[in-house]
Amino acid sequence: NAGVMQNPRHLVRRRGQEARLRCSPMKGHSHVYWYRQLPEEGLKFMVYLQKENIIDESGMPKERFSAEFPKEGPSILRIQQVVRGDSAAYFCASSPQGQGAGANVLTFGAGSRLTVL
Amino acid sequence: SQELEQSPQSLIVQEGKNLTINCTSSKTLYGLYWYKQKYGEGLIFLMMLQKGGEEKSHEKITAKLDEKKQQSSLHITASQPSHAGIYLCGAPGPGGNQFYFGTGTSLTVIP
Repeated sequence: NAGVMQNPRHLVRRRGQEARLRCSPMKGHSHVYWYRQLPEEGLKFMVYLQKENIIDESGMPKERFSAEFPKEGPSILRIQQVVRGDSAAYFCASSPQGQGAGANVLTFGAGSRLTVL
Repeated sequence: SQELEQSPQSLIVQEGKNLTINCTSSKTLYGLYWYKQKYGEGLIFLMMLQKGGEEKSHEKITAKLDEKKQQSSLHITASQPSHAGIYLCGAPGPGGNQFYFGTGTSLTVIP
């Protein structure tokens, strides 16, 4: 079991380019969470997805950011027209279910570090 | 949204010393989770507390949940350099869809 896999681990983009971050959840996990961690700050919730559904995107900026979790393949966090303020570590976590005891033990990936020049 | 405040923000202790990290919630807690993050890496799950008064231990780390006070504490006994990192408390939001993290406590253990 490879755990939660995120790629790329490091991504450098120039202002105005697009960034795509991928997350493959643990085997058997169908719930994915994305978080952003800015330097010297805590983890901020962005979005919660199940296969083919966005359940809660209340933490996502309204513009330029989008997320998906297709039936096949990894979850993708997409940032269009990146700006310097988007530079951060983006973490993905997965869990086997969304409700009930034990459901919220999130397993985290190693993160993707985005640098915008 | 739920806010989780941790104290202290950072801690530097001598190896062998005991320490406590606190986590206070702005809203009712429906479970409290502790994670550890090593610098530059992802989070590792430590413990989950679900009932008021619950206390769990793993190796030299003990966590307690005071549901009435909406607080949890993490206590490390006889700290070691391997305990260094950022400790984060986390909790599900009222609807269960979101999962929030505290502000984090950075721990440095001096050999």
